[in-house]
Amino acid sequence: GAVVSQHPSWVICKSGTSVKIECRSLDFQATTMFWYRQFPKQSLMLMATSNEGSKATYEQGVEKDKFLINHASLTLSTLTVTSAHPEDSSFYICSARDLGQGSQRDIQYFGAGTRLSVL
Amino acid sequence: AQKITQTQPGMFVQEKEAVTLDCTYDTSDPSYGLFWYKQPSSGEMIFLIYQGSYDQQNATEGRYSLNFQKARKSANLVISASQLGDSAMYFCAMREANTGGFKTIFGAGTRLFVKA
Repeated sequence: GAVVSQHPSWVICKSGTSVKIECRSLDFQATTMFWYRQFPKQSLMLMATSNEGSKATYEQGVEKDKFLINHASLTLSTLTVTSAHPEDSSFYICSARDLGQGSQRDIQYFGAGTRLSVL
Repeated sequence: AQKITQTQPGMFVQEKEAVTLDCTYDTSDPSYGLFWYKQPSSGEMIFLIYQGSYDQQNATEGRYSLNFQKARKSANLVISASQLGDSAMYFCAMREANTGGFKTIFGAGTRLFVKA
């Protein structure tokens, strides 16, 4: 399957600082990428849909000014957690669409995730 | 409304035996896709298998097969000849082609434990 690289895999930061997470599709072009948040022992919660060259679409309840998303190229999307606080500590995981045959079959491939700990 | 339901929070299976992980879904969109992902303790989400709503046959990928029963709106994952490395969290997911905006919705997951 397609490869999605996410970096860093683990980050610890002080409260009030900003953290940038990168998501790259390595062997395919991804016009759409998705950012998820996952709390321990829970399912994935979609935060936003990132479209190349346009503004991200945020899910209800997700603060767009806190979670800045940039999708400047067909292979790279970034999530910046601004002024991070302990409650932002979580597992963040990105995914990218690899279009197959038709809009129904396109598969989402995931990065390895980033574990964020805010002290 | 819950669109993807996985009723088994945890499952145990003996090594080398087969196991079925249940998934039911709810949609009024005639065109949709169903997916299963595996998430080991490392956290990465690994794509396992896909089933389209118009596919006539059940999907198979190696030891994974999807028991697709459209009328019952179920898409159970069958893992044959379980291996210790199959111990992980398994998520069923759905994307509605016409109404979902290409968003994939995930179930709550089932944790599978493979016993030696």
